[in-house]
Amino acid sequence: SQQGEEDPQALSIQEGENATMNCSYKTSINNLQWYRQNSGRGLVHLILIRSNEREKHSGRLRVTLDTSKKSSSLLITASRAADTASYFCATVVRGGSYIPTFGRGTSLIVHP
Amino acid sequence: GAVVSQHPSWVICKSGTSVKIECRSLDFQATTMFWYRQFPKQSLMLMATSNEGSKATYEQGVEKDKFLINHASLTLSTLTVTSAHPEDSSFYICSARAPNSKGETQYFGPGTRLLVL
Repeated sequence: SQQGEEDPQALSIQEGENATMNCSYKTSINNLQWYRQNSGRGLVHLILIRSNEREKHSGRLRVTLDTSKKSSSLLITASRAADTASYFCATVVRGGSYIPTFGRGTSLIVHP
Repeated sequence: GAVVSQHPSWVICKSGTSVKIECRSLDFQATTMFWYRQFPKQSLMLMATSNEGSKATYEQGVEKDKFLINHASLTLSTLTVTSAHPEDSSFYICSARAPNSKGETQYFGPGTRLLVL
């Protein structure tokens, strides 16, 4: 079964607004990663957050991790039309082979 | 950052033919590469792990005789879809484990869209 599940499945906002996507998982993780995928393209690695970290920032991206709730969130501040893409969380299970397992993704549309 | 390429980017073929997809790490050596398939609006499903110089490790439910993987060098892995059928139509994405990343980071190729008629 899939380890990570994103919520919501789809999100539509206006340019300038913030976008928040959530990811829930089931088992203990080593780390959790967020990726972006433009339509019909490959994945771009955004942020990796380890199980002993609670928050990381990268530009307009903010990722939080709550291991007690087995959940993570990705916040995109001041969104732009170019942020329109699908966003996936991927979990790397503790004690595993470092192969990430992907959720179904959140489709984000930012209207100009 | 590291670059992974795939070729071709898209392919249309007749049912029954075989299709080869190449995955190359352009500026680093990748001892381990991964092959995923993705259906529309779905997640990436890991098909197999490709190790240089050894046999690939296939995920449960993936037919190894159907999806042949060869990792002959540190910069090239190939996926051959043998006797392709319409249900094999999908988006195939490879990734390579980044060097010196303790196995934590992968770089993904741009994907290959396969349409079997």
